[in-house]
Amino acid sequence: KQEVTQIPAALSVPEGENLVLNCSFTDSAIYNLQWFRQDPGKGLTSLLLIQSSQREQTSGRLNASLDKSSGRSTLYIAASQPGDSATYLCAVRSDYKLSFGAGTTVTVRA
Amino acid sequence: NAGVTQTPKFQVLKTGQSMTLQCAQDMNHNSMYWYRQDPGMGLRLIYYSASEGTTDKGEVPNGYNVSRLNKREFSLRLESAAPSQTSVYFCASNQGPNTEAFFGQGTRLTVV
Repeated sequence: KQEVTQIPAALSVPEGENLVLNCSFTDSAIYNLQWFRQDPGKGLTSLLLIQSSQREQTSGRLNASLDKSSGRSTLYIAASQPGDSATYLCAVRSDYKLSFGAGTTVTVRA
Repeated sequence: NAGVTQTPKFQVLKTGQSMTLQCAQDMNHNSMYWYRQDPGMGLRLIYYSASEGTTDKGEVPNGYNVSRLNKREFSLRLESAAPSQTSVYFCASNQGPNTEAFFGQGTRLTVV
């Protein structure tokens, strides 16, 4: 069974600092890995999708890396802003199933 | 651009009552999914439909049934609600297993 772990569970940083969010998974036989953002009481918003053959993916201030052999992904958010405060979820896809981590809750202090 | 639409957004049920959660997507996606999200448990897959006309069990299917009505719509039915089914339910869709998944805004269900 795929196990997905996100560390840390919570993170508080001052505005302008770079954010580093970690995700690890136990089974490297994956199709892809997807990072989501979830605001309180809301649905999941897709941020980045990395295919298993890719090493990284970038979108604006966001950069995600994938090391499939070691079962790790990292999401970097550059120059954080208060609007980046949310819970970030990592999910890995094996066949039709997405397995989720518990998330990292980020607070960016103005 | 609606994406994935879920109805209702909130629902309170009494134990033993039945209800159907509705989900529709307008992206012409082949695959649709139902997840539940519980504090400390993360998101868990209840059922999925890889393509129109097929459905399969996920991690936690007990107490639920699904119907893939057509390519756009995938409903989740609770036949006899239990307090353990109090949760936030999310519907998702994608074109196939190798593509980006999109989620609805969720249905917050309380069973008393």
